[in-house]
Amino acid sequence: QKEVEQNSGPLSVPEGAIASLNCTYSDRGSQSFFWYRQYSGKSPELIMSIYSNGDKEDGRFTAQLNKASQYVSLLIRDSQPSDSATYLCAVTLSGAGSYQLTFGKGTKLSVIP
Amino acid sequence: GAVVSQHPSWVICKSGTSVKIECRSLDFQATTMFWYRQFPKQSLMLMATSNEGSKATYEQGVEKDKFLINHASLTLSTLTVTSAHPEDSSFYICSARTSGRPIQYFGAGTRLSVL
Repeated sequence: QKEVEQNSGPLSVPEGAIASLNCTYSDRGSQSFFWYRQYSGKSPELIMSIYSNGDKEDGRFTAQLNKASQYVSLLIRDSQPSDSATYLCAVTLSGAGSYQLTFGKGTKLSVIP
Repeated sequence: GAVVSQHPSWVICKSGTSVKIECRSLDFQATTMFWYRQFPKQSLMLMATSNEGSKATYEQGVEKDKFLINHASLTLSTLTVTSAHPEDSSFYICSARTSGRPIQYFGAGTRLSVL
C-alpha cells in the first residue's frame, strides 16, 4: 500500500515563529508533491506545489523536496493566527495517468497569538 | 483562475431519497474530475475518478450503483447519492484538473446530512 505519512499534531507555534511541517511518502516513483491547507469545515486550498529536489519559495511559504529521502516539508515563516489550520501533504503516485492524489492525514497547526 | 464551483454547499434529506451534487470548472476545461469523501477528523478519501466522456473509475469499496457519477462535459461532473442512508452523511468534495497539469483544484464541498 502506497502511503503518505504526516504527524497529526497538533503543532503549536507562537505568532511570528517558523512552523515546520513534515511529510514522508512510500512510493519512490512519485513525481508531484503538494501542500494543501484546510480550515475546519472547509475544502482544501492549494498552498504549494513542488516537482524537483530542492526548495521552492512563495511568500512566507517554502516547500522542500528530497526525493532520495522520500521527504517533503513545508516551512511557514512569520506564522500568523490565520495560518491555524490542518495542512495536508499530497502526492501523485507513479503510473497514475489521471494524476490521482494520495493524501496524508494532515497536521493540525495552531498559531498562538 | 482555476475556480471550481460546487453546489449545493449543504443538503439535508430523508433516508431513502437521492441527492445530486454538481461540480463545475468555471474558467478551465476539466479533463479529469475527482470525487472525495471526508468524515470528521479524517483525511480525504478518493471515491472515484471521472474523465470527460468516459465511465468513472471507482475506488475499491465504493459502490458504483449507489454513487452515480456523470462527467458529460469538460466543465461539469455530477455525483448522485442514490437511496441515501444516515451512514452516507459526510462531507463530499470534488476537484478538477486540466490536461497536462497534475494540480487539482477543489470545490467548496457539500455537507450531506441524511436523517
